[in-house]
Amino acid sequence: QVQLVQSGAEVKKPGSSVKVSCKASGGTFSSYAISWVRQAPGQGLEWMGGIIPIFGTANYAQKFQGRVTITADESTSTAYMELSSLRSEDTAVYYCAREGYYDSSGDSGYWFDPWGQGTLVTVSS
Amino acid sequence: EIVLTQSPATLSLSPGERATLSCRASQSVSSYLAWYQQKPGQAPRLLIYDASNRATGIPARFSGSGSGTDFTLTISSLEPEDFAVYYCQQRSNWPLTWTFGQGTKVEIK
Repeated sequence: QVQLVQSGAEVKKPGSSVKVSCKASGGTFSSYAISWVRQAPGQGLEWMGGIIPIFGTANYAQKFQGRVTITADESTSTAYMELSSLRSEDTAVYYCAREGYYDSSGDSGYWFDPWGQGTLVTVSS
Repeated sequence: EIVLTQSPATLSLSPGERATLSCRASQSVSSYLAWYQQKPGQAPRLLIYDASNRATGIPARFSGSGSGTDFTLTISSLEPEDFAVYYCQQRSNWPLTWTFGQGTKVEIK
């Protein structure tokens, strides 16, 4: 079964950028989408965007268009999320998650499983 | 964009009681709805996919039902480890977007 391991916590200044990594091991990486979901302190889950590594094209939630870039490196089974022009409201835990798939057909499913452990990004001057 | 509305926001129950959580979609999502459990400091954990299918390793006391716009997650008899926040989630294909409900907190009464 695939496991997703994310990079460590970051502290950033307002206006700067952060890049978080998500490395997959033990299973299929390239064929299924990896998404990024964030959770502000005490708040709910918010989808930011995703990428299917084998195709390399990302799609983004409208809210984050122009500020987030999601990439993937098939050679290292690693996905990346870069968020620019950081502000205090971007302080959150950022999760990567892989879309599920049906064992019987291999078709992609409508759920996330597994998830990475999360990366806390703190934006503070 | 499809909006998911969960109710209630908080559910106060005792261990052994039955929990019934609701998720309503602003338009039909067929049966493509998932449920997650999240405990403090942890990543969400998949419980139910396609409205009623339990994920691997999920105890039988968790069950999901519904289709179209109205969905329910039921915990038949609450165990101490079930007190957590629960989220529903759906995926739209055109445009490709994933959305979550705002969550229901199940707390000890």
